[in-house]
Amino acid sequence: AQKVTQAQTEISVVEKEDVTLDCVYETRDTTYYLFWYKQPPSGELVFLIRRNSFDEQNEISGRYSWNFQKSTSSFNFTITASQVVDSAVYFCALSEAGRGSTLGRLYFGRGTQLTVWP
Amino acid sequence: DTGVSQDPRHKITKRGQNVTFRCDPISEHNRLYWYRQTLGQGPEFLTYFQNEAQLEKSRLLSDRFSAERPKGSFSTLEIQRTEQGDSAMYLCASSLERGGLSNQPQHFGDGTRLSIL
Repeated sequence: AQKVTQAQTEISVVEKEDVTLDCVYETRDTTYYLFWYKQPPSGELVFLIRRNSFDEQNEISGRYSWNFQKSTSSFNFTITASQVVDSAVYFCALSEAGRGSTLGRLYFGRGTQLTVWP
Repeated sequence: DTGVSQDPRHKITKRGQNVTFRCDPISEHNRLYWYRQTLGQGPEFLTYFQNEAQLEKSRLLSDRFSAERPKGSFSTLEIQRTEQGDSAMYLCASSLERGGLSNQPQHFGDGTRLSIL
């Protein structure tokens, strides 16, 4: 079973629009970590954010914000006033920390290709 | 901080040949991970090292695959008798763990793209 689901395969927006990327995860562990990575056309995965399962506080960093809701097992990512440079594939990932888990092993979703048009 | 370095960036080889990739993690990072990414998919975990010890291998890592990190610094991933299904991007990542359950962010290299003819 897929531990991380990113239902949106592709999203296209016009510059300055807001866009939300959805992520739903599945785990039995009570301690876990959630991540978002950006993969531009160059290929390198760029770390954006990490949250642990005990911290549901939403976070804002510039034009980026993240909404973590344990009740719905979701960790959504919003880009405000999108720019062409935001065009990339965005991956949500889960790391479990319970007994028997491989500490640090990341389970990635399939990614969402975001295209921002000028 | 020079980042995670992988070599080569691209490798094209014929089916049945052996290939070896190298990864140089961020200095002082004690954890090193290998992932494989195919087109349209997210990276999939292959194996990881804590210093020089290989602590876990995924079922994806068949007997034809072997990874080493002899001195706890750089790592190599070798694929023997390559098959067309091995064509993928091989990603290396490193992190600094100070113990406990912190799960620090992994920093990824640019990857090695392997194409099997």
